Amino acid sequence: NAGVTQTPKFQVLKTGQSMTLQCAQDMNHNSMYWYRQDPGMGLRLIYYSASEGTTDKGEVPNGYNVSRLNKREFSLRLESAAPSQTSVYFCASSEHTGTDTQYFGPGTRLTVL
Amino acid sequence: AQKITQTQPGMFVQEKEAVTLDCTYDTSDQSYGLFWYKQPSSGEMIFLIYQGSYDEQNATEGRYSLNFQKARKSANLVISASQLGDSAMYFCAMREGLTSGTYKYIFGTGTRLKVLA
Repeated sequence: NAGVTQTPKFQVLKTGQSMTLQCAQDMNHNSMYWYRQDPGMGLRLIYYSASEGTTDKGEVPNGYNVSRLNKREFSLRLESAAPSQTSVYFCASSEHTGTDTQYFGPGTRLTVL
Repeated sequence: AQKITQTQPGMFVQEKEAVTLDCTYDTSDQSYGLFWYKQPSSGEMIFLIYQGSYDEQNATEGRYSLNFQKARKSANLVISASQLGDSAMYFCAMREGLTSGTYKYIFGTGTRLKVLA
């Protein structure tokens, strides 16, 4: 099993450009999440999806949109990138049984110039 | 509001010694979960250990143990016999339930641990 995969690993954008970060999990998890990590601020939740077809805003949703394409895939879109969106983006998924541990993808390092 | 506090931005420990990383939390929920993750310099987030709010015994996973003091709302991570490979950032996190039926996870700001040879 690959676990949680993310593409791309690195990306440089110019202000105003758009892009989509892709995330897929092969653990049959219902819930999926997008976080951003900035120095000194831990991880902050952007959006989450409790199940296929549902999405909800997290702590810092402004400037982002998401799509839960199917149970496996959860994408994050930046419509008009801004320098404030320079960050490391993590996708995660969790089972909804037992400990509900979150498992993370390797992250995408995004720089917006 | 739910909150996780890690008050130690950085810690040093000598190789083979034990170290405790502090974590306090604030929640009004009766049912919650507490997690620790390790983030090495390569950047990935690695799950280490879990403690449920109803678990009476402290969780242990190999050299990792979680010192859970419910009344004090603390969930400290203890690493025994530190190794050079333990040098990393460590995050404490708490799971809270949502009305949508899923969970949300709140993370602390992390503690950077450096193991000295």
